[in-house]
Amino acid sequence: EIVMTQSPATLSVSPGERATLSCRASQSVSSNLAWYQQKPGQAPRLLIYGASTRATGIPARFSGSGSGTEFTLTISSLQSEDFAVYYCQQYNNWPPTWTFGQGTKVEIK
Amino acid sequence: QVQLQESGPGLVKPSETLSLTCTVSGGSISSYYWSWIRQPAGKGLEWIGRIYTSGSTNYNPSLKSRVTMSVDTSKNQFSLKLSSVTAADTAVYYCARALYYGSGSYGYWGQGTLVTVSS
Repeated sequence: EIVMTQSPATLSVSPGERATLSCRASQSVSSNLAWYQQKPGQAPRLLIYGASTRATGIPARFSGSGSGTEFTLTISSLQSEDFAVYYCQQYNNWPPTWTFGQGTKVEIK
Repeated sequence: QVQLQESGPGLVKPSETLSLTCTVSGGSISSYYWSWIRQPAGKGLEWIGRIYTSGSTNYNPSLKSRVTMSVDTSKNQFSLKLSSVTAADTAVYYCARALYYGSGSYGYWGQGTLVTVSS
């Protein structure tokens, strides 16, 4: 199983500031990496796929980078609606056993 | 716009079988992989498995012995059965579809349904 490790567990950021979230895979997942945002009581929402491609309707302040085992999600200027939990997910291995990171909570500082 | 909706009992007794159905609307169920993902309260997401409309399946090895997925294309539905449940199976269960065929990223999700395992 590919283990996904996210850091930090909690990130305290002021509105308007930049947030940088990290995700590390226990082995290479190439660019088969997605990022999701989840708010309380809601299903996850896809933000980024293919490590760096924004999903439809996702604002440009969200960007993803990385390949192999190290990935980053950057929110350039946090808005009030961005405070949530963010998960990374790999979908590289075969046969598929997709795995998620444990999440990073972005909270208001 | 594809929409997914989970349905099934919210309470299941220990050792019994959890059964959920996901109804797909706004598009055909054909030619896609359909997945189940769960999330215990306050915890992260766990991929349970997926089924193609041909019936081909892939399951999480940690759950494989207890999981069965099926699809009914005539009803635009797919289903999950998880046998011999324990309290550890208490979670919100989501059905989901990949963004496009061949992708493993999930662009479409149901709202989720809470299943509690308790006597």
